[in-house]
Amino acid sequence: KQEVTQIPAALSVPEGENLVLNCSFTDSAIYNLQWFRQDPGKGLTSLLLIQSSQREQTSGRLNASLDKSSGRSTLYIAASQPGDSATYLCAGGNRDDKIIFGKGTRLHILP
Amino acid sequence: DAGVTQSPTHLIKTRGQQVTLRCSPKSGHDTVSWYQQALGQGPQFIFQYYEEEERQRGNFPDRFSGHQFPNYSSELNVNALLLGDSALYLCASSLTFWTGAGANVLTFGAGSRLTVL
Repeated sequence: KQEVTQIPAALSVPEGENLVLNCSFTDSAIYNLQWFRQDPGKGLTSLLLIQSSQREQTSGRLNASLDKSSGRSTLYIAASQPGDSATYLCAGGNRDDKIIFGKGTRLHILP
Repeated sequence: DAGVTQSPTHLIKTRGQQVTLRCSPKSGHDTVSWYQQALGQGPQFIFQYYEEEERQRGNFPDRFSGHQFPNYSSELNVNALLLGDSALYLCASSLTFWTGAGANVLTFGAGSRLTVL
C-alpha cells in the first residue's frame, strides 16, 4: 500500500531564499510523482509531473527530482517570492491510476 | 478552454441528509476521479469513473456513490450525511489511453465545500 509523507508540515522562509520541500513514498513501483500547489480554500494546480523513467523536471523557478530507489522526491524553489506562499502537495501515481497524496507542506514566504 | 468545473461551490447540509455534487471534466478528458480533502489533510481518493463505470474505489463506505454520464460528466452522491463528511470535495479529470494505464496528468476543479451541521 502506497503511503506518501511530506516533511516539514510547515515552513517559513524570507523572500529571496532558495528552499527544498521533501516527499517520501513507500512503494518504489511508483508510476509517476506529481507536485501540486493549493491556495487556501482552492483546488489543486499541477506544477510538475515526473514519470518513473525520469529523474527530474523543471518549470521556471521550480525543479522536482525523483529517486525511486530511495523513495524520495524533492521540490526545489529558487529565489522564493511572497506569491509562492501556498500548500504544496506531492502525490504518487501507481500503474492502476490511483493517486496517493501526502498531507502537504504549508509554505509561507516572509516579505 | 474551460477546465474542470464543479458545482455547487459551497453547501450546508444537516446530518442524515443526502447531497449530490457535480463535475464537468476538462474538454478532451474521459476519466473522472473524486477526492475528499478534510481540513489540514491531503486529498483522499474516493473513486474513479471511466466509460460510465466505477473503475477503482478508495476506502470509503457505500454511502458514497457516483455516476458518470455519456458526456463524461460525473456526480458524487453521499447519503446519510455525518459530521465527519464535512470537507472539500475535489473532482479531477484525466485522459485514459487505450492501454488502460492512466495518463495521470490530473486537472482539478476548485472543489465543492460541504459543511454538515
